[in-house]
Order: sequence, then structure tokens, then C-alpha cells
Amino acid sequence: DTGVSQDPRHKITKRGQNVTFRCDPISEHNRLYWYRQTLGQGPEFLTYFQNEAQLEKSRLLSDRFSAERPKGSFSTLEIQRTEQGDSAMYLCASSPLDGLGANVLTFGAGSRLTVL
Amino acid sequence: AQKVTQAQTEISVVEKEDVTLDCVYETRDTTYYLFWYKQPPSGELVFLIRRNSFDEQNEISGRYSWNFQKSTSSFNFTITASQVVDSAVYFCALEGTGGFKTIFGAGTRLFVKA
Repeated sequence: DTGVSQDPRHKITKRGQNVTFRCDPISEHNRLYWYRQTLGQGPEFLTYFQNEAQLEKSRLLSDRFSAERPKGSFSTLEIQRTEQGDSAMYLCASSPLDGLGANVLTFGAGSRLTVL
Repeated sequence: AQKVTQAQTEISVVEKEDVTLDCVYETRDTTYYLFWYKQPPSGELVFLIRRNSFDEQNEISGRYSWNFQKSTSSFNFTITASQVVDSAVYFCALEGTGGFKTIFGAGTRLFVKA
């Protein structure tokens, strides 16, 4: 297993364009998370999937953001009509259902978005 | 509301010095979990440790040690005999009851100079 993969690693787009990021989690992990990280800050929770069900969305996720995880495998995060404030690193993480009740997150390398 | 505060934005030490990274958390949950993650210059966050709220024993792993004190809501991280490879941003994090949203602090950037 190669860990959590994210694609693309970098995306530069013009304001108003749509962008889509893909995340391939560790295959045995049924929990998948999206976080956003801006410069000098810690990751901020965006959304969470258990298998294919999206169980929680942060208020940070405006109606321009949508995430899917069809068939409980890979996930996509789409941002429509991008704004300069969307510029950030988008991190995907996965975790197994852990009987200890806490989620040890395995992160991908992230997808850096720059909106011009 | 849950919150994690890492008051130290940046710390700079010389190799072989000991360094402690502070973490203070807020939660109303009685069951919760605390974590430390490391983000090296390459960028990928790496898990270091997890503690649950019922286990206040300090933990040591090689040059790393963690001090969990519920009385002061702190979960501090000490690196003994720091090395240049320890240079990274370190994040303290909290997961409460209901357990899928991990709240991260703003991180402490550690520079270890040779």
C-alpha cells in the first residue's frame, strides 16, 4: 500500500473556474476526511465520509464546495466558481474504524490550490 | 466548543538542546483523545502519538516524551537532544466524543540548527 494519494499536487486556476481534487485513501480504511490548511495554520476540518456516506460537513464548506465518495473508495472534492480566498492546501486523510475509538489519521501530501 | 492552543509559533534551538512544545486544550467532553502530528518540510503530516483522556501516564518513545495533565488541560511534547531532522511544524490535536472531527492547533514551527 502506498498510503494516501492526492491528485493533482498543484493547481493554478483563474477566479471563477471550477476545480476538482481526487483522493485515494488506504484501501483498508473506511473513513475519509478532507481538511483545508492555509499558511501558518493547522488543518481545518471540511468533511468526513464513512464508506460512501458523507456524515458531516463543516460550515466552512459553502455551497460552492461538494465532495463525493462513490462506492466508498476514492473521493473527489470539487470547488465551483473559485475565489481567491479558496487558495489553500487541501488535505485528504483516511483512518480505519478503530476499536479504541479515536481516529489516527494518515494524510496525503495535499493538493495546493492557487486562485489568481 | 473545542479548541487547541499552541502558544509558541516558532522555536529555534541548537542541536542537542532539549525543547518542549506546549499544548493547551479546551473541551467539555469527558472522553476525548489528544494527538501530536509532525509536518516536516516535505509537507505530509505524520502521526506521532495518541492519548485518551483516562490515561494520564506520561509516555516516552526514544527522544520523544509527552506529559498529559488534565488538571491544567495540557499535553506537552518534549524532544530530548534535538537533531536537525526534528525541524518541522508540530501540531497538537483533539478529538472529542462523537469522534470523527479532529481539531488542530495552529502548530509550532521548530528549527533545530546544527
